[in-house]
Amino acid sequence: GQQVMQIPQYQHVQEGEDFTTYCNSSTTLSNIQWYKQRPGGHPVFLIQLVKSGEVKKQKRLTFQFGEAKKNSSLHITATQTTDVGTYFCAKKGFQKLVFGTGTRLLVSP
Amino acid sequence: EADIYQTPRYLVIGTGKKITLECSQTMGHDKMYWYQQDPGMELHLIHYSYGVNSTEKGDLSSESTVSRIRTEHFPLTLESARPSHTSQYLCASRSGDTQYFGPGTRLTVL
Repeated sequence: GQQVMQIPQYQHVQEGEDFTTYCNSSTTLSNIQWYKQRPGGHPVFLIQLVKSGEVKKQKRLTFQFGEAKKNSSLHITATQTTDVGTYFCAKKGFQKLVFGTGTRLLVSP
Repeated sequence: EADIYQTPRYLVIGTGKKITLECSQTMGHDKMYWYQQDPGMELHLIHYSYGVNSTEKGDLSSESTVSRIRTEHFPLTLESARPSHTSQYLCASRSGDTQYFGPGTRLTVL
């Protein structure tokens, strides 16, 4: 199917630890987007990756697009309690985005 | 960033009631979407629209209906609410490849 799988489904870390979520597709992607949804909130666009092997950084967040354009990762260095939420990747489908299953991150102080 | 408005933000109603969830955006985006999401879970696309007078069903079957008479307005209607409809409903619009979400409506059907 079109679904984009994300792993892990859930992760609980101590503040200061690193965190990584992976997004995998069975088909080659034209681009990949990442969104963050805070608890009780709505998804907010973070970034889009387009090129094979592309790496982009936003402060402590590092986004990577695989060389084969079938997978992507989001890495957070030294997590903070403000990083709590669910992270979704999304691929471009026909007239719509196809969202991944999401990774829920909990950060304990 | 797009301004997307949803009302009401919270709604508690009894079984069998007809409800309409409002969604509007002020950026003139043609593409709009409705998602259903349980807390912390996946986003399920239930309806989308390419523009005025265009509506399509999404990936998740839903008993709700939508209309798109004006570009800025994309309301969702449930003719007879049931407890199984209890969920969060998120509206979104799209500019280019980027999707912008409204704050959502949390619906509880008793």
